[in-house]
Amino acid sequence: AQSVSQHNHHVILSEAASLELGCNYSYGGTVNLFWYVQYPGQHLQLLLKYFSGDPLVKGIKGFEAEFIKSKFSFNLRKPSVQWSDTAEYFCAVYGQNFVFGPGTRLSVLP
Amino acid sequence: ETGVTQTPRHLVMGMTNKKSLKCEQHLGHNAMYWYKQSAKKPLELMFVYSLEERVENNSVPSRFSPECPNSSHLFLHLHTLQPEDSALYLCASSQEPSGARNEQFFGPGTRLTVL
Repeated sequence: AQSVSQHNHHVILSEAASLELGCNYSYGGTVNLFWYVQYPGQHLQLLLKYFSGDPLVKGIKGFEAEFIKSKFSFNLRKPSVQWSDTAEYFCAVYGQNFVFGPGTRLSVLP
Repeated sequence: ETGVTQTPRHLVMGMTNKKSLKCEQHLGHNAMYWYKQSAKKPLELMFVYSLEERVENNSVPSRFSPECPNSSHLFLHLHTLQPEDSALYLCASSQEPSGARNEQFFGPGTRLTVL
């Protein structure tokens, strides 16, 4: 069965620190990969997605993610976080169906 | 205008009540979804509809009954729920259910409390 894991439950960073959130999945076939963000009090929004082509995907608000097929990973990165990036981040995979990871809560200290 | 709307935003119901959640998408999408978001659990996909036909049902109890009368509207009918069904119920839509255009757009959710 498909599954998605996210390495960290809660990450705390200071502003301007670099961010990397891990995401691994289990599925042997072709996948579509997504990162969603949920800001406090707001609905889930798409940050970026991978369908095919360049494994390095750039999304909104300076986020990027790299698909490493051999590692079944799709880690999210941002070189310098801001206080406004405080949110919950969800990795999702579409193989046979949509499966979401448990989420990582990011707190950015001003 | 928000792409995906859900009503009501909050609902409190007893275990013997019957209620319905409504979702409407204004994006011209062909696929719609219901998810359950519980505290400390991953988002759980409940139902998928593509062009008004149910294409997936992830072993959801029969006390949850979806209805998709057209490609813009999706309902979740609730009856004889249990307290453990209390959660945030999210609706989403996508251009297609699979392929290159299946990124989902989410509504704000309905916060359901079952007493």
